[in-house]
Amino acid sequence: QQQVKQSPQSLIVQKGGISIINCAYENTAFDYFPWYQQFPGKGPALLIAIRPDVSEKKEGRFTISFNKSAKQFSLHIMDSQPGDSATYFCAASDTNTGNQFYFGTGTSLTVIP
Amino acid sequence: NAGVTQTPKFQVLKTGQSMTLQCAQDMNHEYMSWYRQDPGMGLRLIHYSVGAGITDQGEVPNGYNVSRSTTEDFPLRLLSAAPSQTSVYFCASRGTGIANYGYTFGSGTRLTVV
Repeated sequence: QQQVKQSPQSLIVQKGGISIINCAYENTAFDYFPWYQQFPGKGPALLIAIRPDVSEKKEGRFTISFNKSAKQFSLHIMDSQPGDSATYFCAASDTNTGNQFYFGTGTSLTVIP
Repeated sequence: NAGVTQTPKFQVLKTGQSMTLQCAQDMNHEYMSWYRQDPGMGLRLIHYSVGAGITDQGEVPNGYNVSRSTTEDFPLRLLSAAPSQTSVYFCASRGTGIANYGYTFGSGTRLTVV
């Protein structure tokens, strides 16, 4: 059973547009929600993370929106650039009980010049 | 800082062979984990460690062993390789406290079992 469901599987966006990737979870004990960016042949790199005490977190062009009641969170990439073309993974973890990070299945983003 | 270093980067094994994937980190992180990445399945936790001498199973532990004799090293052993273990393997580490909760990943080992 997939603990974190991610959509879409792939996304094509024009340069300068907004990329939006969505994730949903079921376990209400999750209290840490990171997003990772992965380029081909590289390991995932932590991009931005949020905890459920805030509804939004912004770092540069990247924003996480968090909806606790709906158990959903999303990554918004503003002014998308070709260099943002990568695979993005959401994840969730319960910081109180263990070491397990549950990852989504990934979204392949292509930004067209 | 080198971060998380994995060796080898590529490996081809025959069914039934054994091997060890190496992982070392130089950030004095307590937590270390091994993940496998398969197309369409995201990253799945194999084994993890919360400190030297302490290891535990993750989501997909069968066919793999780990040990943690030092803070820095966390090798993953494949006991008898099977084609189903063809995957990309990532080692990751993190510190303690919420500010250090996000994992730092190595660059991966691409393993093919024939």
